[in-house]
Amino acid sequence: AQKITQTQPGMFVQEKEAVTLDCTYDTSDPSYGLFWYKQPSSGEMIFLIYQGSYDQQNATEGRYSLNFQKARKSANLVISASQLGDSAMYFCAMRGFSGGYQKVTFGIGTKLQVIP
Amino acid sequence: DTGVSQNPRHKITKRGQNVTFRCDPISEHNRLYWYRQTLGQGPEFLTYFQNEAQLEKSRLLSDRFSAERPKGSFSTLEIQRTEQGDSAMYLCASSGRPSPHAGLTYEQYFGPGTRLTVT
Repeated sequence: AQKITQTQPGMFVQEKEAVTLDCTYDTSDPSYGLFWYKQPSSGEMIFLIYQGSYDQQNATEGRYSLNFQKARKSANLVISASQLGDSAMYFCAMRGFSGGYQKVTFGIGTKLQVIP
Repeated sequence: DTGVSQNPRHKITKRGQNVTFRCDPISEHNRLYWYRQTLGQGPEFLTYFQNEAQLEKSRLLSDRFSAERPKGSFSTLEIQRTEQGDSAMYLCASSGRPSPHAGLTYEQYFGPGTRLTVT
């Protein structure tokens, strides 16, 4: 079974500042992938960043970076230089790879609001 | 490539009626997923197709729910005898291109969703 925990229901950040959104996970799969998605008020889920469990380096995509600490089972998202358009719900998700398992498990999300 | 599309975007129906939603994935994607998202929650997996074969179904998918992908392209999700508890956003996602990222997975690209309201 897979479980994603996001403990911050809401976060505020000043424009141009950095913010960290927390995510911890639990899985029995030896190999897995971790994702972050952004969901604006329009409803569409937008893929942001991916981290494989065996990747040696933390993933980065532009202003997004994933602080992966495997021993602590955490995969926090760091957004640098926040912009007003970053205001949205952010979901952490994971997928295991055993037995051709395709299900992606999502957390309950963190609502980020960027303050001008 | 215009992304994943879903129709309709909104559906209001009376309890007991049947509804059908359509998802058109990104054209070269062979994998298609349906999720349900209720208010304040993340998406919950419903079912998965690889080409036309339905390979996984969640326990959330009761007998009133059926999904098809007859030609391995678009997919439909039908809910029969709708209940108020079916009110949710129904999201479709597709994947299939090799990920540009290192790893074993393919990221899923989501459509805009169909918001169902059962009155």
